[in-house]
Amino acid sequence: EIVLTQSPGTLSLSPGERATLSCRASQSVSSSYLAWYQQKPGQAPRLLIYGASSRATGIPDRFSGSGSGTDFTLTISRLEPEDFAVYYCQQYGSSSFTFGPGTKVDIK
Amino acid sequence: EVQLVESGGGLAQPGGSLRLSCTASGITFTTYSMSWVRQAPGKGLEWVSYITSGSSTIFYADSVKGRFTISRDNAKKSLYLQMNSLRVEDTAVYYCASWPLSLHAFDIWGQGTMVTVSS
Repeated sequence: EIVLTQSPGTLSLSPGERATLSCRASQSVSSSYLAWYQQKPGQAPRLLIYGASSRATGIPDRFSGSGSGTDFTLTISRLEPEDFAVYYCQQYGSSSFTFGPGTKVDIK
Repeated sequence: EVQLVESGGGLAQPGGSLRLSCTASGITFTTYSMSWVRQAPGKGLEWVSYITSGSSTIFYADSVKGRFTISRDNAKKSLYLQMNSLRVEDTAVYYCASWPLSLHAFDIWGQGTMVTVSS
């Protein structure tokens, strides 16, 4: 099973700042099967990025994804108040799906 | 409106059973693969099970293999999760989510249904 590690665990930033979230896999992941989700308290997750770098429908262009192999990054160019949430990366491979432990982006 | 609605959660005793349902609307359910994903209180997301549109391929997480069974009824636009031999560690919010092969990601999520396993 591929294990995903996310860093940092918590990112404390101010609105308007840039957020860079990392997702590292224990073995190579196909970029086609790497996704990012946002989750706010009491809500279901929301798909942000699929295929490592494609924005889902309705996702603002301040969200971008990049990376390949074992290292992937989610970047939020300028944090808006509604962006403070927990972010998860997720991969599919070898008949199994795994999520990273999440990065919490909170207000500094 | 595109929507997935889960039901069937509740309180069960260790060793007991529950059956979760997920009903879809606003999507062509027959073309979507589907999954169950759970989230224990205060914890992260854990994938549970996956089923293709025609039920030909099914996967389970090791943590539930042999205890949980996923199924679907395309005529009823419904997804199910039969949970047997429940354990305290199965306590979680259970989400159903769609997996369109065009995206290879979970694009639509239900609101979740809470399962509590306790004596």
